[in-house]
Amino acid sequence: GEDVEQSLFLSVREGDSSVINCTYTDSSSTYLYWYKQEPGAGLQLLTYIFSNMDMKQDQRLTVLLNKKDKHLSLRIADTQTGDSAIYFCAEMGNTDKLIFGTGTRLQVFP
Amino acid sequence: GAVVSQHPSWVICKSGTSVKIECRSLDFQATTMFWYRQFPKQSLMLMATSNEGSKATYEQGVEKDKFLINHASLTLSTLTVTSAHPEDSSFYICSAFRPRQGKDYEQYFGPGTRLTVT
Repeated sequence: GEDVEQSLFLSVREGDSSVINCTYTDSSSTYLYWYKQEPGAGLQLLTYIFSNMDMKQDQRLTVLLNKKDKHLSLRIADTQTGDSAIYFCAEMGNTDKLIFGTGTRLQVFP
Repeated sequence: GAVVSQHPSWVICKSGTSVKIECRSLDFQATTMFWYRQFPKQSLMLMATSNEGSKATYEQGVEKDKFLINHASLTLSTLTVTSAHPEDSSFYICSAFRPRQGKDYEQYFGPGTRLTVT
């Protein structure tokens, strides 16, 4: 079945860039998403990318997609302490169901 | 492992009727549950946060009188779609937090309920 994997932890210094990686197995993925979950809160959609795109930029966020390698990344420029959260990637294929990764806990230290 | 169930998994109802969807944490107590909605070919959107013993917190744009949430026990939260209309047809997914040591927690998603309003 479909599988989405992420590294569990990432720690960065405030002001540096953060890169959160995600790999997936479903070759029929049509959309790929990044969600942010702050402590005690629900998932919030950050950004998404269509599978026929290579890159999408939205302010401090840059999403890169390598469809051949089934690799997705989220880069956060000028990371701030308020960016500390768990980041989930998710893919949607032909089944119309979202498959989530395990989440990457980003910790930003001063 | 921890399991979150939803019931029913699929429901069809007539316009104007109400539908109740249950979300249960099967082997742990969940003080916080979340309700999400997913339109076809679209992303998951958070509707509300359900806290046991208190009123749910709704996201902006979600009608609290239409989507009634009751978190009556530590293992059950219900979402009632009142006076359903075809535009309420969607996939509804809940998730639950299971606390871990300290302030950490794990999150588990239910399998979802597909609602079709005719």
